[in-house]
Order: sequence, then C-alpha cells, then structure tokens
Amino acid sequence: GDSVTQMEGPVTLSEEACLTINCTYTATGYPSLFWYVQYPGEGLQLLLKATKADDKGSNKGFEATYRKETTSFHLEKGSVQVSDSAVYFCALPSRSQGAQKLVFGQGTRLTINP
Amino acid sequence: DTEVTQTPKHLVMGMTNKKSLKCEQHMGHRAMYWYKQKAKKPPELMFVYSYEKLSINESVPSRFSPECPNSSLLNLHLHALQPEDSALYLCASSIQTSGYYEQYFGPGTRLTVT
Repeated sequence: GDSVTQMEGPVTLSEEACLTINCTYTATGYPSLFWYVQYPGEGLQLLLKATKADDKGSNKGFEATYRKETTSFHLEKGSVQVSDSAVYFCALPSRSQGAQKLVFGQGTRLTINP
Repeated sequence: DTEVTQTPKHLVMGMTNKKSLKCEQHMGHRAMYWYKQKAKKPPELMFVYSYEKLSINESVPSRFSPECPNSSLLNLHLHALQPEDSALYLCASSIQTSGYYEQYFGPGTRLTVT
C-alpha cells in the first residue's frame, strides 16, 4: 500500500540555519504531496503542496519539489526562525474503500534555538 | 476562508459520561473526517463522510459514534470511553473524497478520560 517515510527527529537548529527534512513515498499512481505543520497545542495546517511531478510548492519561505524519479518531497528552508519550531508531517492522499484518506509520515519535531 | 472550527477545545469526562464533539466548515466541502492523535504520533483516521454518508470506518470501537447531520456539520458522540481514549481529536474537510485534494484541519479537541 501507499506509504510515507520521513526523516527521524527531533531536529534542533540555531536561528538562521538551513533546514532540510527528508520525505520519500511509495504510491500507486501520481498523487498530490503535502507538507503539514503542527504548532504546539494546535491542529495541523497545510504548509505547502505539489500536484504533479517537478512541481515546487512554497509557503512562508519553505519549499519542496515533487521528484518522481527519486520518489521524494524534501522540505527545505534557507534560514529558519524560532517561530518555525513545530512538528512537520509529510503526507499523501491514498484511495481506500472508495474514498480518499491521508497517509502521514511519522512527523519530525523541529526546535529552533535563538 | 479555509477554516474548520471545533468545539469544545478541551473536554474532561468520566468513563460513564456521554458527550459530543462538534465540527463545522463553511467551505462547501463534501468530505469530512475524524482523526485521533496521540502524543508524538501522526493523526490516525477514524471516519470519513462523503456527501453526508459514512464512507470509511477504520474499525473504530462502537463507543465512538459519528454523525453528519448536514454538509457543514460533523459530530462525534462519545459514550463509555476508556482512559486510553484520551487524545487530541481532529476534524478535517476536503472538497470531496475522489481525486487528490488537500484536507483542512480544525484546531482539535483535547479529550481527557478519567
């Protein structure tokens, strides 16, 4: 079945450091790919998405490129801020029992120190 | 507007109580979802509603009873819960369950079963 493998955390960086969180997937067909972010005590927010191969999703300084050849969707940011501290989930939609469900990676907890 | 609202924000209930969680969206989405999230884990899908009909029940115990009274509302009725049911309960919606659409999440209800 469809699956998402995400870089193990936690990840701790200093402010203004570069960030990469790796995400690889296994999927039937060519689904959209998503990154969600969960700030402490909150629900999940859609951070960015890509709908087809070579698409680049971007938002709030974060970017991720849909790489079909390597089945990857790595999250990158050139200069992180303390406010980026959160848990990040890579996800893809998967068909099950005639309806769509999201398959999540295990999540990567990111802490940015000032 | 991509807002999904959930009430209450926090809920403490005893094992013999009956309570309900409420979710609402006004984006015209026809798919709605309930997830359960334990600490440091990704959300786990519980139920999917498509056009107000239950599409997926991920083998959830009968002490959880979903209801979709109309296209904007989703309820989760709780009865005779166990302490291990304590978790963050997230509601989400998407345009529909076919295709590869993103899901929009609410802030969640933090449930504690005593």
